[in-house]
Parts: sequence; structure tokens; C-alpha cells
Amino acid sequence: SQKIEQNSEALNIQEGKTATLTCNYTNYSPAYLQWYRQDPGRGPVFLLLIRENEKEKRKERLKVTFDTTLKQSLFHITASQPADSATYLCALGGNRDDKIIFGKGTRLHILP
Amino acid sequence: DAGVTQSPTHLIKTRGQQVTLRCSPKSGHDTVSWYQQALGQGPQFIFQYYEEEERQRGNFPDRFSGHQFPNYSSELNVNALLLGDSALYLCASSRGWRGGGNEQYFGPGTRLTVT
Repeated sequence: SQKIEQNSEALNIQEGKTATLTCNYTNYSPAYLQWYRQDPGRGPVFLLLIRENEKEKRKERLKVTFDTTLKQSLFHITASQPADSATYLCALGGNRDDKIIFGKGTRLHILP
Repeated sequence: DAGVTQSPTHLIKTRGQQVTLRCSPKSGHDTVSWYQQALGQGPQFIFQYYEEEERQRGNFPDRFSGHQFPNYSSELNVNALLLGDSALYLCASSRGWRGGGNEQYFGPGTRLTVT
């Protein structure tokens, strides 16, 4: 069955450093991959989408890579700030439907 | 623009009861998806509505049903509640259908507790 793994449940990063989160998947060939941010008690907020034919996407301090051979996406936050502390969710989807599959998420703590 | 709104915010029900959750999509959006998020887990897709019809469905039993109204708002109904139905129920809206990775806007969710 389709499976998504996000590298760790929690990640602690020093303020100012680059945070790198990993999303691996198996038994699936997604057409696109999305990253969301979720704060406690709130709904997820869309951050970035990258399609299967794209290698890299950037938005301000965020960068996403997508390697369909390795079946992996990396999500980077550069110059991290305590306000970046949240749970980050990776989600995969196909072209023919909107059945998006979410990973469990990684809790990121940026330490001042 | 109010964004996606959901009601109620919190709800406590007893096993065996029925519940209805409501969602109003972001202005300009015509597609509504519902997700269930258990504590410490990612959201799980329940179903999606477009043009008042259920277009996609995840692995949820028939106890979970929904409806979309002409104004694009939507309801999620759960019958014969089980303790395991306790979760955060999220509604997400987007523009258009047929996949392709449309950006989804999520509401704040409804926290359902079944006792």
C-alpha cells in the first residue's frame, strides 16, 4: 500500500541555521508533492507545490526538491527563526484525482 | 475574505449518536474536501465534493456521508459514532476539480470527542 514517511517526529535546530525535513514515499508515483505547515489546534496552511517534472522550487526562505528516482522530497528553511516552529506535513497527489495522502508530519523546534 | 470557516469548533457526543459538521469554503472556491486528523497523525482524506456530487472517497465506511449545497458549502455527517471517531475534522476548499494539485485552503477544524 502507499506509504509516506517523514524523517523524524521532531527536529531541533538552532536559530539562524538551515532546517532540512525529509519526505520519503513508497508504492506510489505522485504527479505532485505539497508541503504544509500546521500550528497546534489549527488547520494546515499550504506552503509549496512541486510537480513530478520539477527538480526544485523556491519561495522566500523555503526550498523544496523532488527526486522521483529516490522517491524523496527535501524541504529546507534557511535562516530559521523561532516563528518557524511548527509541524510540517508532506502530501502527495495524482493527476487524475485529488485524493491527497498526507504524511504524519515532523515537529520542528527552532531554538533561540 | 473570511477564508474557510467550520462549525462548530468543538463537539462532544456519545457513542451511537449522529453528528453533522459544517463548512463554508473560501470565496471563489467550488470544491470541498473533508479530512479526519487523529492526534499525532496527518490528515486522512474522507471525501471530496464538486458540483454537489461526491467525486472522490477515501477508505472510510458508509457511516461517513456528506453533502454539498448550491452555494458550495458542505456538511459532513457521521452516524453510529464510535470512540475511534474522536478526531479533528478538517474541511479544505479549492478551485476546480480533476486533480492536478490545486492549492487547498484548510479551515480551523472541528474537534469531535466521542465518549
